[in-house]
Amino acid sequence: DGGITQSPKYLFRKEGQNVTLSCEQNLNHDAMYWYRQDPGQGLRLIYYSQIVNDFQKGDIAEGYSVSREKKESFPLTVTSAQKNPTAFYLCASSIAHRPERTYNSPLHFGNGTRLTVT
Amino acid sequence: KQEVTQIPAALSVPEGENLVLNCSFTDSAIYNLQWFRQDPGKGLTSLLLIQSSQREQTSGRLNASLDKSSGRSTLYIAASQPGDSATYLCAVRGTTSGTYKYIFGTGTRLKVLA
Repeated sequence: DGGITQSPKYLFRKEGQNVTLSCEQNLNHDAMYWYRQDPGQGLRLIYYSQIVNDFQKGDIAEGYSVSREKKESFPLTVTSAQKNPTAFYLCASSIAHRPERTYNSPLHFGNGTRLTVT
Repeated sequence: KQEVTQIPAALSVPEGENLVLNCSFTDSAIYNLQWFRQDPGKGLTSLLLIQSSQREQTSGRLNASLDKSSGRSTLYIAASQPGDSATYLCAVRGTTSGTYKYIFGTGTRLKVLA
């Protein structure tokens, strides 16, 4: 079955350490996204990628970095510069970022990684 | 700037009741609207997607309507079941470059009591 796999499910890190969250999709989607979810807030976009070797900052990119070396993979690094890294991180994908290419094609999500930094 | 609001934030209903969840958005220049379900500690599952040219979409006991001019969408759940308990989120997608990203509401947490 096609889908998005995020690993690990839970991640614990000490303050000051960088940590990388994995996101792999086998849906053959061009566009991939990273969102952050905090209690009582809507999902906020961190970074997105429209195609391999391309990515753009979302609304809250500070303290995060990404790479898109393969179509299937879009890892997110949470750096020590991120002030409040403890959150639930969700990876998503869609056929394309430009909506005219996505008629009736929904946004697909992985099951998330819960990161706790102490 | 697009803002998406979902009211109420939480809702408890007895099993079997028909219910309506609301989603409102401030900018009617949307390409589509999606409704999602999120179970505790899990990712989002797409329920229904309505294009801006459509008025409603149906899937099983779910029916979503869209009134773009008034900036509103509703998700109707018929004959609710305990298994419907989850958080329901809506998200809208803009029509112009720079607004293609989805903007999410904060969700309605639904509890269906057996």
